[in-house]
Amino acid sequence: AQSVTQLDSHVSVSEGTPVLLRCNYSSSYSPSLFWYVQHPNKGLQLLLKYTSAATLVKGINGFEAEFKKSETSFHLTKPSAHMSDAAEYFCVVSDPGYGGSQGNLIFGKGTKLSVKP
Amino acid sequence: EAGVAQSPRYKIIEKRQSVAFWCNPISGHATLYWYQQILGQGPKLLIQFQNNGVVDDSQLPKDRFSAERLKGVDSTLKIQPAKLEDSAVYLCASSLGLAGLETQYFGPGTRLLVL
Repeated sequence: AQSVTQLDSHVSVSEGTPVLLRCNYSSSYSPSLFWYVQHPNKGLQLLLKYTSAATLVKGINGFEAEFKKSETSFHLTKPSAHMSDAAEYFCVVSDPGYGGSQGNLIFGKGTKLSVKP
Repeated sequence: EAGVAQSPRYKIIEKRQSVAFWCNPISGHATLYWYQQILGQGPKLLIQFQNNGVVDDSQLPKDRFSAERLKGVDSTLKIQPAKLEDSAVYLCASSLGLAGLETQYFGPGTRLLVL
């Protein structure tokens, strides 16, 4: 069965320093992978998605992620953190057409990113 | 473009009472999803509709949860009777097509507290 593991429940960085949020996935098929962000009291917003095109995916707000099949990883990075990046980030996997799931999204448990001034 | 709308935003009830949540998806989106997000966890899919038909309800606790999307547009999710463990945020999302191919857009959620 497909699943995602977010390796850190909480990451703290200083403003202006790089961000790395780690995600490993497990999938029987070629997966579609996503990163979503959730700001307090706001809905989930898609940051970026990988659907078997380029392995380096660029998203909104300067975030990017690299799909590494050999490592079954899809880590999220940003060169320089901003205070507004403080939020919870979810790594998500989908297996289109797996069984009857019709491409359901499977969410990780989330990584809370704190940004210190 | 208007986003996914949900109401109410907050609800407090006592256990064994019933509650209903409403969702209006983005116009033209055929697929609608209800998720349950328990504090400290990622959202978990409860039910997925394609137009007015159920595609997947394998994780819906059918003894107490029900959902409908009668006209293929807006949807309601009901819990009857509620249990303490139902305290969570209930998220509605919609997409043009199937989740693996299309982006899901999420509403702000309904935060339910069962006392």
